[in-house]
Amino acid sequence: DAGVTQSPTHLIKTRGQHVTLRCSPISGHKSVSWYQQVLGQGPQFIFQYYEKEERGRGNFPDRFSARQFPNYSSELNVNALLLGDSALYLCASSLDWLNEQFFGPGTRLTVL
Amino acid sequence: RKEVEQDPGPFNVPEGATVAFNCTYSNSASQSFFWYRQDCRKEPKLLMSVYSSGNEDGRFTAQLNRASQYISLLIRDSKLSDSATYLCVAPKAAGNKLTFGGGTRVLVKP
Repeated sequence: DAGVTQSPTHLIKTRGQHVTLRCSPISGHKSVSWYQQVLGQGPQFIFQYYEKEERGRGNFPDRFSARQFPNYSSELNVNALLLGDSALYLCASSLDWLNEQFFGPGTRLTVL
Repeated sequence: RKEVEQDPGPFNVPEGATVAFNCTYSNSASQSFFWYRQDCRKEPKLLMSVYSSGNEDGRFTAQLNRASQYISLLIRDSKLSDSATYLCVAPKAAGNKLTFGGGTRVLVKP
């Protein structure tokens, strides 16, 4: 069975650009969460979606947005990129918003 | 005070030895907790869920102390492959965001 998939695996952008990261959850899972992990730190919660509705939002600026599609896949968008946005962006899926979360391999974003 | 705090380590452990480390959390409303394992430049992988006083899975034992608001992870008979960063997770509330600690690095050496 396929696990959580994310694309792209790596991405290099310059300051001011925008980026779209994609995530497909485990088949049957209806909840997707997004996390940002900076080197040397634990993942920081960005968003959680369940049944296409936002269920939670972390302390990130409005430059960060996300959505979930009818097939439960999800996109994370970041506008006006800053150097500090360089990080590993992790997507996690769960059966619903109450259960254990399983992570994808992440997208490593570098902002120059 | 951080919501979830961990000793960053590293804990240098001889192969075959036992190692234990704690994680403290600030939100007394947290009901369930998780330990994730993360290898270098990889995604976190769920190691263990803790819903009541504790949980045991093979060489790994997690214990929850609600009065003192900490959970511990104990690894017995350490293997070289146990070398990783162990992330403690305390949800803010049921089904809500996962709040991760900064991780505890464990290095098992021959």
